[in-house]
Amino acid sequence: EAQVTQNPRYLITVTGKKLTVTCSQNMNHEYMSWYRQDPGLGLRQIYYSMNVEVTDKGDVPEGYKVSRKEKRNFPLILESPSPNQTSLYFCASTPRRTSELNEQFFGPGTRLTVL
Amino acid sequence: DAKTTQPPSMDCAEGRAANLPCNHSTISGNEYVYWYRQIHSQGPQYIIHGLKNNETNEMASLIITEDRKSSTLILPHATLRDTAVYYCIVREGGYSGAGSYQLTFGKGTKLSVIP
Repeated sequence: EAQVTQNPRYLITVTGKKLTVTCSQNMNHEYMSWYRQDPGLGLRQIYYSMNVEVTDKGDVPEGYKVSRKEKRNFPLILESPSPNQTSLYFCASTPRRTSELNEQFFGPGTRLTVL
Repeated sequence: DAKTTQPPSMDCAEGRAANLPCNHSTISGNEYVYWYRQIHSQGPQYIIHGLKNNETNEMASLIITEDRKSSTLILPHATLRDTAVYYCIVREGGYSGAGSYQLTFGKGTKLSVIP
């Protein structure tokens, strides 16, 4: 089954304790991205990657890191989490193409709470 | 900034057609209209997209006005599982050339399907 998976789905942690949220897709998509969703602010893009070893900042990259060593994986790293990073996080992927289609496949979400 | 305006909420009786409007009066000639939905805290799901012609797929129909300043998403026979927030997004198709397939989600329309 074609899908985007995220782990963990739920995480409660404390300020300053490094954590990684994994994202994996099995559709051979070139493009992957991370969004966070907060009440009243909608979904905002954190980082994206056009392909292996190519990453770039989205609208709200502060406090986050990413890496893209393999095509299927795009982990989100919080080196020193803070309470304002409490949010619902989504990973998404799409094949890179020049056609009109922009069908992005989203993962199930990771609900992170930083105390 | 979201380029679309949607009503914050709508109700629809189960089995009836749900018609969700979207205004995008500043849409440019190379921009498409995309619809996604998000069922309670799950990852957003692509529904349909169009440029200027009406489109239909297994999930929904998309009606775009001739001047392209507004559109309507139609769910022909709404079920309880269609209760979700529906997002209308306007952007260039596919890879925008600016380095991102980023989707800008507004507040959307919360559709409640009533038994």
